[in-house]
Amino acid sequence: EVQVVQSGAAVKKPGESLRISCKASGYTFSNYWIGWVRQMPGKGLEWMGIIYPDDSQTRYKPSFEGQVTISADKSISTVYLQWSDLKASDTAMYYCARQGETEGGPADFWGQGTLVTVSS
Amino acid sequence: EIHMTQSPTSLSASVGDSVTITCRASQSISIYLNWYQQQPGKAPKLLIYEASTLQTGVPSRFSGRGSRTEFTLTIVNLQPEDFATYYCQLAYITPYNFGQGTKVEI
Repeated sequence: EVQVVQSGAAVKKPGESLRISCKASGYTFSNYWIGWVRQMPGKGLEWMGIIYPDDSQTRYKPSFEGQVTISADKSISTVYLQWSDLKASDTAMYYCARQGETEGGPADFWGQGTLVTVSS
Repeated sequence: EIHMTQSPTSLSASVGDSVTITCRASQSISIYLNWYQQQPGKAPKLLIYEASTLQTGVPSRFSGRGSRTEFTLTIVNLQPEDFATYYCQLAYITPYNFGQGTKVEI
């Protein structure tokens, strides 16, 4: 059974760093792209970027490039989303999702979401 | 960057009704389109991929059509659990942008 489990909620101050995680199981982890999606409070879904764990190829939406870093550790079947300088505007729910063996495929299994709150 | 525009942004319906949501791409995207359902407080769920292929386990009252720049999601015989927000998403062409969402409410 495919499962995608994300790390718990985080509360941070502006300027701090943060790494949240997404652990997948039940399939060959390295062979599927995994993506991240942001949902700001009361708003819609925004695709942020994607990684192929086998070789760590990444693609970012231009508006997120340089603002976040997506990485993977295939030895523990985990993908990460990282910030080095959080802003209040980063407050949102973040979802990861398995996104196909082929780049750009549909997101068929989703994590439960990680709520990130950035406040002074 | 290809932009996805959904209409309407919200609609009211009753149990048993049929509804259609439209998604338009800013340029031709073949059939590279997915549809998702998001219930309040939950993660999105894949309904349809490649414009018209129903994801395993999704009820047949959901259907998708379209190609190039115009796509539709139709739900017939609305059930209480179908009252949710629906999103289209560009596939296979980065960035994989979502539409702004359509809220289906009672």
